Amino acid sequence: EAQVTQNPRYLITVTGKKLTVTCSQNMNHEYMSWYRQDPGLGLRQIYYSMNVEVTDKGDVPEGYKVSRKEKRNFPLILESPSPNQTSLYFCASSLSRRENTIYFGEGSWLTVV
Amino acid sequence: KQEVTQIPAALSVPEGENLVLNCSFTDSAIYNLQWFRQDPGKGLTSLLLIQSSQREQTSGRLNASLDKSSGRSTLYIAASQPGDSATYLCAVRENRDDKIIFGKGTRLHILP
Repeated sequence: EAQVTQNPRYLITVTGKKLTVTCSQNMNHEYMSWYRQDPGLGLRQIYYSMNVEVTDKGDVPEGYKVSRKEKRNFPLILESPSPNQTSLYFCASSLSRRENTIYFGEGSWLTVV
Repeated sequence: KQEVTQIPAALSVPEGENLVLNCSFTDSAIYNLQWFRQDPGKGLTSLLLIQSSQREQTSGRLNASLDKSSGRSTLYIAASQPGDSATYLCAVRENRDDKIIFGKGTRLHILP
């Protein structure tokens, strides 16, 4: 089954404790991206990657890192999480840069206390 | 900077009615526009994708139109059902840098 898988789905952590949210897709997609969704602000793009070893900043990259060492994986790293990073995070992928439908993961609820 | 606006923010209609959701964008230099559905606490499901060269796309009871020059798209839902209750979001993919910008969505409630 074609899917985008994120882990963990739910996490409560403390300020400053490094964490990684993993994202994996099984569709051989080139384009992958991370979003955060906040009430009143909607979905905002954090980082995106158009292929292996190619990553670019979205609209809200501060406080986040990503890597794309393999085509299927695109982890989101919070080196020193802060409470303002409490949010619902989505990973997404599409076959190519522009042409195709975007597929979303189920979301990761992150709370930083 | 591209801005995507969806009006209204929320909408309630009786079951069986046809309805239209609106999406507008400020910069017409887009590659495509996509409509999504999101159920509470869930991920987004793609409904329709319209390339910039296209005027509309249809899938079942859904029809999406795109007028790039005026910066507008509409999602038409025919014969609405309670199962259509969800938040509907539109998103544009920009030409120059492949960023994807989302609207804040329209929360739709179909009354049985």
